[in-house]
Amino acid sequence: EAGVVQSPRYKIIEKKQPVAFWCNPISGHNTLYWYRQNLGQGPELLIRYENEEAVDDSQLPKDRFSAERLKGVDSTLKIQPAELGDSAVYLCASALGNLWAGELFFGEGSRLTVL
Amino acid sequence: QKEVEQDPGPLSVPEGAIVSLNCTYSNSAFQYFMWYRQYSRKGPELLMYTYSSGNKEDGRFTAQVDKSSKYISLFIRDSQPSDSATYLCAMTKAAGNKLTFGGGTRVLVKP
Repeated sequence: EAGVVQSPRYKIIEKKQPVAFWCNPISGHNTLYWYRQNLGQGPELLIRYENEEAVDDSQLPKDRFSAERLKGVDSTLKIQPAELGDSAVYLCASALGNLWAGELFFGEGSRLTVL
Repeated sequence: QKEVEQDPGPLSVPEGAIVSLNCTYSNSAFQYFMWYRQYSRKGPELLMYTYSSGNKEDGRFTAQVDKSSKYISLFIRDSQPSDSATYLCAMTKAAGNKLTFGGGTRVLVKP
């Protein structure tokens, strides 16, 4: 069974440029999360989807970040314009249902460097 | 002060030793507690989870939760070089809610 797939794995951009990350969750997983992990820190939630609905986006910096999950499967996270402080690993995770107890499956992440 | 505190390490042990990891937290509403392992340039993978207080054992891994002290632990017996990774504790108030992670402890098991 394929895991959570993310692309690109690495991205280097200059500040003020836009960037987008793509995530394909495990087949059948209707709950999808985007986390951001800064160097030496644990992941922090940006947004949570149940199917195509964003049920928790309280920590998403909406002035520059946007996300969508069309048809309740793949998801895209966009940053426009990027700032130096956005350099981090962006992790996508999925789960079966919304009452899982611990079993979040993470992708390998998209590592962003903003110069 | 962060909701979940974890010593960043690194923690270096010889092969075969017991690795002891722990986290403290401040929010008494946390009910579910997890340990994730993260290899370099990979995503976290779930090792163990427990609900409320108590112990749970799975092979070489034992997780302990002491809610009265707001303290959780993970023990790795007979450690192997392949156990070298960053270990993240995580917790949540209810099933399906967002996870709050600690900063991770880097572990190095030397052959």
